[in-house]
Amino acid sequence: SQTIHQWPATLVQPVGSPLSLECTVEGTSNPNLYWYRQAAGRGLQLLFYSVGIGQISSEVPQNLSASRPQDRQFILSSKKLLLSDSGFYLCAWSRGQRSGYTFGSGTRLTVV
Amino acid sequence: AQSVTQPDIHITVSEGASLELRCNYSYGATPYLFWYVQSPGQGLQLLLKYFSGDTLVQGIKGFEAEFKRSQSSFNLRKPSVHWSDAAEYFCAVGVDTGGFKTIFGAGTRLFVKA
Repeated sequence: SQTIHQWPATLVQPVGSPLSLECTVEGTSNPNLYWYRQAAGRGLQLLFYSVGIGQISSEVPQNLSASRPQDRQFILSSKKLLLSDSGFYLCAWSRGQRSGYTFGSGTRLTVV
Repeated sequence: AQSVTQPDIHITVSEGASLELRCNYSYGATPYLFWYVQSPGQGLQLLLKYFSGDTLVQGIKGFEAEFKRSQSSFNLRKPSVHWSDAAEYFCAVGVDTGGFKTIFGAGTRLFVKA
């Protein structure tokens, strides 16, 4: 069966520090991968998605970036965090639109 | 532009009562529609989905949803709510722009009272 792993679960980082969040999928190949951010009490904002290795589409211009160095690995990064980067970050994968998404358990990022 | 509207920010129902969560979408083509549930501090779990066929779809945990094209709606229902159903519910529409993106509504928080 397919599983998705996301880590760390929680993270407290100072303003201006770098960020690296990792997401891996097991049990499938060539998944579509997604990074969403959920601000407190709000819906989900799509940040990046990828349909293949090295293929990244950005939805929201900001100081975050994403990379897909391997088929089942998706990384969210920042060189310098801002206070506004605080939130709940969710990774997800899908086979296509008909299958819906499977989400990871999320990373709670607090920038102080 | 594609969008999803969940008119109710929060809803409170008594345990054992019926539930209906509203969802309206805006999308030019035949939509792929989803409902997800999120417990506090957790990721989202897919409850059910619709992309064609019978407009009444059954999902997990006793939930169902009905697609009404004329009203651009996809409301979620449950005949009898359990205390464990307290969570946040998200309606979503899948759009095919070459990247298989999904647009989520802002969510409806469900509270269940004894």
